[in-house]
Amino acid sequence: AQSVTQLDSQVPVFEEAPVELRCNYSSSVSVYLFWYVQYPNQGLQLLLKYLSGSTLVKGINGFEAEFNKSQTSFHLRKPSVHISDTAEYFCAVSDHGGGGADGLTFGKGTHLIIQP
Amino acid sequence: SQTIHQWPATLVQPVGSPLSLECTVEGTSNPNLYWYRQAAGRGLQLLFYSVGIGQISSEVPQNLSASRPQDRQFILSSKKLLLSDSGFYLCAWSGGGGPYNEQFFGPGTRLTVL
Repeated sequence: AQSVTQLDSQVPVFEEAPVELRCNYSSSVSVYLFWYVQYPNQGLQLLLKYLSGSTLVKGINGFEAEFNKSQTSFHLRKPSVHISDTAEYFCAVSDHGGGGADGLTFGKGTHLIIQP
Repeated sequence: SQTIHQWPATLVQPVGSPLSLECTVEGTSNPNLYWYRQAAGRGLQLLFYSVGIGQISSEVPQNLSASRPQDRQFILSSKKLLLSDSGFYLCAWSGGGGPYNEQFFGPGTRLTVL
């Protein structure tokens, strides 16, 4: 079984400051990793994903994440945040086991709050 | 391009009433379809997934059920709603073929059970 832990339920950051949202996972097999963003009362939108290859993954809106297999982490970073980045961010994992369908296991989410 | 629709957008229902939420996908065929529930402070929970017409797998036992009467239609139902069924319900689809495929989410349905 796989699981995802997002250590921070809420992260307040000042505008134009850097931010890191933490994500740790556990799985007995190799995994695929995803970060999604959810704006208020909307569905989820994919920010970036790690499938294989380079451990540094760049996504939309200036976000990037680094896969660290030894630490089983996939932290999300942005060097300078904007008010428009205020949203809920979800880390998710899907393992290579697959199964009948590729359902994702999500973390509980981190609410990023940008302060002016 | 592919689009995913959910309706209704919001719903307020009394305890014990039935439920039917609908999700449809356009612009793709044979998608994998998913129902998730998002409850306050509890993240997203996978409820059901389907790899084809009439094929439904349940992830969590509860008083909800799902059906897939057509290739691109996925319905979430209940005969009698409970207070604990309140939440934000998200439908998603993926292209199938492996767990590396990203999932695309609909706009969601906000359900309040009173």
